Amino acid sequence: AQSVAQPEDQVNVAEGNPLTVKCTYSVSGNPYLFWYVQYPNRGLQFLLKYITGDNLVKGSYGFEAEFNKSQTSFHLKKPSALVSDSALYFCAVSLQDDKIIFGKGTRLHILP
Amino acid sequence: ETGVTQTPRHLVMGMTNKKSLKCEQHLGHNAMYWYKQSAKKPLELMFVYSLEERVENNSVPSRFSPECPNSSHLFLHLHTLQPEDSALYLCASSQDLRVPEAFFGQGTRLTVV
Repeated sequence: AQSVAQPEDQVNVAEGNPLTVKCTYSVSGNPYLFWYVQYPNRGLQFLLKYITGDNLVKGSYGFEAEFNKSQTSFHLKKPSALVSDSALYFCAVSLQDDKIIFGKGTRLHILP
Repeated sequence: ETGVTQTPRHLVMGMTNKKSLKCEQHLGHNAMYWYKQSAKKPLELMFVYSLEERVENNSVPSRFSPECPNSSHLFLHLHTLQPEDSALYLCASSQDLRVPEAFFGQGTRLTVV
């Protein structure tokens, strides 16, 4: 069965520092991988996706994620955090013809 | 704005009430989804519709009843809910099932009292 793990419920980072939000997955086959962000009182917004090709994927708001097949990970990163990045982040996975499965989410707090 | 609109944004209902949640998209998408988001739990996929036909029902209790009258609209009819059904209900759409990148609505915050 497909699954997505986000091992951290919450991540605290000082403004200006680099941030990482972790995600690992378990699927058979070649997955599609996604990151979504949910700001307070707003719906989920798509950040970036990996389908195929370059392992480093760049997305919205300066975020990027690296697909690591051997470690089955797709960690979200940003070189310099902003206070406005504080939100709930969801990693998701799907196979090509299947539904998208979400992780439980990681709350990111950027400290001024 | 993602192009997916949900109404109402907030709903409080008693356990004997009947209410409906509405989702609307004008993105030309063929697949629509209902998700349930509870605190500290992964998003739970409830229903999937493709071209107005239900393609998946993830063992959701019958007190939740979806309806997809056309490709732009999706409803979730609620009746005799329980307090544990209180959650954020999210609607999403995607171009089709083979392109799972989804656009989400803002959700309906449901409280069952």
